[in-house]
Amino acid sequence: KAGVTQTPRYLIKTRGQQVTLSCSPISGHRSVSWYQQTPGQGLQFLFEYFSETQRNKGNFPGRFSGRQFSNSRSEMNVSTLELGDSALYLCASSLDPSPTDTQYFGPGTRLTVL
Amino acid sequence: AQTVTQSQPEMSVQEAETVTLSCTYDTSESDYYLFWYKQPPSRQMILVIRQEAYKQQNATENRFSVNFQKAAKSFSLKISDSQLGDAAMYFCACRTSLITTSGTYKYIFGTGTRLKVLA
Repeated sequence: KAGVTQTPRYLIKTRGQQVTLSCSPISGHRSVSWYQQTPGQGLQFLFEYFSETQRNKGNFPGRFSGRQFSNSRSEMNVSTLELGDSALYLCASSLDPSPTDTQYFGPGTRLTVL
Repeated sequence: AQTVTQSQPEMSVQEAETVTLSCTYDTSESDYYLFWYKQPPSRQMILVIRQEAYKQQNATENRFSVNFQKAAKSFSLKISDSQLGDAAMYFCACRTSLITTSGTYKYIFGTGTRLKVLA
Protein backbone atom coordinates (compact mmCIF):
# COMPACT_ATOMS: atom_id res chain seq x y z
CA LYS A 1 0.00 0.00 0.00
CA ALA A 2 1.43 3.37 -0.98
CA GLY A 3 2.25 5.78 1.81
CA VAL A 4 1.26 9.38 2.25
CA THR A 5 2.52 11.50 -0.60
CA GLN A 6 3.04 15.23 -0.62
CA THR A 7 3.65 17.47 -3.58
CA PRO A 8 5.70 19.39 -4.29
CA ARG A 9 8.59 18.32 -2.09
CA TYR A 10 10.35 21.67 -2.33
CA LEU A 11 9.03 25.11 -3.07
CA ILE A 12 10.53 28.57 -3.19
CA LYS A 13 8.26 31.60 -3.10
CA THR A 14 8.63 35.29 -2.43
CA ARG A 15 6.89 37.38 0.18
CA GLY A 16 3.32 38.29 -0.68
CA GLN A 17 2.76 35.32 -2.96
CA GLN A 18 0.43 32.48 -2.19
CA VAL A 19 1.11 28.76 -2.25
CA THR A 20 -0.88 25.54 -2.42
CA LEU A 21 0.44 22.27 -1.06
CA SER A 22 -1.08 18.90 -1.77
CA CYS A 23 -1.39 15.73 0.27
CA SER A 24 -2.61 12.33 -0.88
CA PRO A 25 -3.44 10.07 2.06
CA ILE A 26 -3.03 6.33 2.28
CA SER A 27 -5.81 4.57 0.40
CA GLY A 28 -8.82 4.16 2.67
CA HIS A 29 -7.76 6.87 5.10
CA ARG A 30 -10.34 9.60 5.48
CA SER A 31 -8.64 11.86 8.00
CA VAL A 32 -5.87 14.23 6.98
CA SER A 33 -3.95 16.53 9.33
CA TRP A 34 -1.44 19.24 8.56
CA TYR A 35 1.50 20.38 10.66
CA GLN A 36 4.10 23.11 10.39
CA GLN A 37 7.64 22.35 11.52
CA THR A 38 10.17 25.15 12.05
CA PRO A 39 13.44 25.30 14.01
CA GLY A 40 12.08 28.09 16.19
CA GLN A 41 8.51 27.01 16.90
CA GLY A 42 8.95 23.26 16.55
CA LEU A 43 6.05 21.16 15.39
CA GLN A 44 2.65 22.82 15.40
CA PHE A 45 -0.75 21.44 14.49
CA LEU A 46 -2.43 23.38 11.68
CA PHE A 47 -5.74 21.65 11.00
CA GLU A 48 -7.49 18.36 10.48
CA TYR A 49 -10.00 17.32 7.85
CA PHE A 50 -12.34 14.38 7.87
CA SER A 51 -14.95 13.59 5.26
CA GLU A 52 -14.35 16.94 3.54
CA THR A 53 -15.01 18.87 6.77
CA GLN A 54 -12.51 20.75 8.88
CA ARG A 55 -12.72 19.08 12.27
CA ASN A 56 -10.19 21.12 14.15
CA LYS A 57 -7.83 24.04 13.67
CA GLY A 58 -4.67 25.09 15.43
CA ASN A 59 -3.70 28.60 16.40
CA PHE A 60 -2.74 29.98 13.00
CA PRO A 61 -3.88 33.13 11.19
CA GLY A 62 -6.58 33.04 8.55
CA ARG A 63 -3.93 33.15 5.82
CA PHE A 64 -3.63 29.43 6.37
CA SER A 65 -6.52 27.48 4.95
CA GLY A 66 -7.21 24.05 3.65
CA ARG A 67 -9.73 21.76 2.12
CA GLN A 68 -10.38 18.11 1.53
CA PHE A 69 -11.83 16.52 -1.54
CA SER A 70 -14.22 13.61 -1.85
CA ASN A 71 -11.31 11.24 -2.53
CA SER A 72 -9.77 12.38 0.80
CA ARG A 73 -6.91 14.22 -0.89
CA SER A 74 -6.22 17.48 0.86
CA GLU A 75 -4.71 20.81 -0.02
CA MET A 76 -3.51 23.59 2.19
CA ASN A 77 -3.13 27.15 1.03
CA VAL A 78 -1.10 29.96 2.47
CA SER A 79 -1.84 33.43 1.16
CA THR A 80 0.26 36.57 1.44
CA LEU A 81 3.37 34.64 2.35
CA GLU A 82 5.66 35.97 5.06
CA LEU A 83 9.29 35.09 5.74
CA GLY A 84 8.18 33.29 8.89
CA ASP A 85 6.13 30.86 6.84
CA SER A 86 9.32 29.16 5.73
CA ALA A 87 8.96 25.69 7.16
CA LEU A 88 8.55 22.01 6.56
CA TYR A 89 4.85 21.30 6.13
CA LEU A 90 3.88 17.80 7.11
CA CYS A 91 0.72 15.97 6.25
CA ALA A 92 -0.51 12.89 8.09
CA SER A 93 -3.39 10.56 7.38
CA SER A 94 -5.36 8.10 9.45
CA LEU A 95 -8.48 6.03 9.04
CA ASP A 96 -10.48 8.40 11.21
CA PRO A 97 -9.83 11.34 13.57
CA SER A 98 -9.72 9.22 16.71
CA PRO A 99 -6.56 9.70 18.79
CA THR A 100 -6.37 5.92 19.09
CA ASP A 101 -5.91 5.66 15.34
CA THR A 102 -2.31 5.86 14.17
CA GLN A 103 -1.34 8.79 11.99
CA TYR A 104 1.00 8.12 9.09
CA PHE A 105 3.13 11.03 8.00
CA GLY A 106 4.26 12.08 4.56
CA PRO A 107 7.78 13.26 3.70
CA GLY A 108 6.76 16.90 3.89
CA THR A 109 6.95 19.92 1.63
CA ARG A 110 9.79 22.28 2.38
CA LEU A 111 8.66 25.84 1.71
CA THR A 112 11.19 28.63 1.52
CA VAL A 113 9.92 32.20 1.44
CA LEU A 114 12.40 34.80 0.18
CA ALA B 1 -2.82 26.53 28.32
CA GLN B 2 -1.62 23.11 27.29
CA THR B 3 2.15 22.68 27.19
CA VAL B 4 4.64 19.93 26.47
CA THR B 5 8.24 20.29 27.63
CA GLN B 6 11.23 18.27 26.53
CA SER B 7 14.13 19.56 28.58
CA GLN B 8 16.85 17.57 26.81
CA PRO B 9 17.66 19.07 23.41
CA GLU B 10 20.17 16.31 22.73
CA MET B 11 21.06 12.93 24.19
CA SER B 12 23.67 10.33 23.36
CA VAL B 13 23.66 6.62 24.03
CA GLN B 14 26.07 3.84 23.34
CA GLU B 15 24.83 1.09 21.04
CA ALA B 16 23.11 -1.71 23.01
CA GLU B 17 22.68 0.55 26.06
CA THR B 18 19.48 2.01 27.49
CA VAL B 19 18.46 5.65 27.31
CA THR B 20 15.53 7.59 28.75
CA LEU B 21 14.08 10.69 27.12
CA SER B 22 12.15 13.04 29.38
CA CYS B 23 8.85 14.76 28.75
CA THR B 24 6.56 16.73 31.03
CA TYR B 25 3.21 18.10 30.05
CA ASP B 26 0.44 20.22 31.41
CA THR B 27 -3.22 20.12 30.50
CA SER B 28 -6.43 21.03 32.25
CA GLU B 29 -8.30 18.28 30.47
CA SER B 30 -8.96 14.99 32.26
CA ASP B 31 -9.06 12.87 29.13
CA TYR B 32 -6.02 12.98 26.88
CA TYR B 33 -3.49 10.92 24.98
CA LEU B 34 0.28 11.05 24.99
CA PHE B 35 2.55 10.14 22.12
CA TRP B 36 6.18 9.72 21.25
CA TYR B 37 7.09 10.25 17.62
CA LYS B 38 10.41 9.54 15.92
CA GLN B 39 11.73 11.61 13.01
CA PRO B 40 14.90 10.09 11.50
CA PRO B 41 17.14 12.39 9.47
CA SER B 42 15.50 13.11 6.10
CA ARG B 43 12.90 10.46 6.72
CA GLN B 44 9.25 10.45 7.64
CA MET B 45 7.95 10.86 11.14
CA ILE B 46 6.54 7.71 12.66
CA LEU B 47 4.61 6.93 15.80
CA VAL B 48 6.72 5.14 18.40
CA ILE B 49 4.29 4.65 21.22
CA ARG B 50 0.94 5.92 22.51
CA GLN B 51 -0.45 6.10 26.05
CA GLU B 52 -4.06 6.71 27.00
CA ALA B 53 -4.19 8.83 30.15
CA TYR B 54 -6.96 6.74 31.68
CA LYS B 55 -4.78 3.62 31.54
CA GLN B 56 -2.49 3.14 34.51
CA GLN B 57 -0.40 0.50 32.81
CA ASN B 58 2.63 1.83 30.97
CA ALA B 59 2.61 1.25 27.23
CA THR B 60 5.29 -0.94 25.69
CA GLU B 61 6.27 -1.55 22.08
CA ASN B 62 9.18 -3.98 21.75
CA ARG B 63 12.31 -2.11 22.89
CA PHE B 64 10.34 1.07 23.60
CA SER B 65 8.48 1.64 26.83
CA VAL B 66 7.15 4.62 28.73
CA ASN B 67 7.10 5.65 32.34
CA PHE B 68 3.78 7.44 32.72
CA GLN B 69 3.41 9.35 35.98
CA LYS B 70 0.00 11.00 35.74
CA ALA B 71 0.13 12.92 39.00
CA ALA B 72 3.53 14.33 38.12
CA LYS B 73 2.47 14.88 34.48
CA SER B 74 5.55 13.07 33.31
CA PHE B 75 5.84 10.82 30.27
CA SER B 76 9.34 9.55 29.65
CA LEU B 77 10.44 7.19 26.89
CA LYS B 78 12.88 4.39 27.56
CA ILE B 79 14.74 2.81 24.68
CA SER B 80 16.40 -0.48 25.53
CA ASP B 81 19.19 -2.16 23.58
CA SER B 82 19.71 1.00 21.51
CA GLN B 83 20.45 0.49 17.83
CA LEU B 84 22.04 2.76 15.25
CA GLY B 85 18.65 3.04 13.57
CA ASP B 86 17.24 4.66 16.70
CA ALA B 87 19.17 7.84 15.95
CA ALA B 88 16.53 10.48 15.28
CA MET B 89 14.66 13.44 16.65
CA TYR B 90 12.06 12.33 19.17
CA PHE B 91 8.94 14.38 19.82
CA CYS B 92 6.61 14.05 22.75
CA ALA B 93 3.02 15.15 22.16
CA CYS B 94 -0.19 15.57 24.12
CA ARG B 95 -3.59 15.46 22.51
CA THR B 96 -6.82 16.02 24.38
CA SER B 97 -9.77 13.81 23.65
CA LEU B 98 -11.79 14.42 20.52
CA ILE B 99 -14.63 16.08 22.35
CA THR B 100 -13.59 18.66 24.90
CA THR B 101 -15.56 21.33 26.70
CA SER B 102 -14.85 23.68 23.80
CA GLY B 103 -15.88 21.13 21.20
CA THR B 104 -12.41 20.82 19.75
CA TYR B 105 -9.18 19.19 20.78
CA LYS B 106 -5.68 20.47 21.35
CA TYR B 107 -2.59 18.78 19.98
CA ILE B 108 0.68 20.12 21.33
CA PHE B 109 4.19 18.91 20.59
CA GLY B 110 7.40 19.32 22.53
CA THR B 111 10.46 20.86 20.94
CA GLY B 112 12.13 17.51 20.45
CA THR B 113 15.17 15.62 21.69
CA ARG B 114 17.87 14.65 19.22
CA LEU B 115 19.15 11.19 20.04
CA LYS B 116 22.58 10.13 18.88
CA VAL B 117 23.57 6.49 18.99
CA LEU B 118 27.29 5.84 19.28
CA ALA B 119 28.78 2.70 17.76
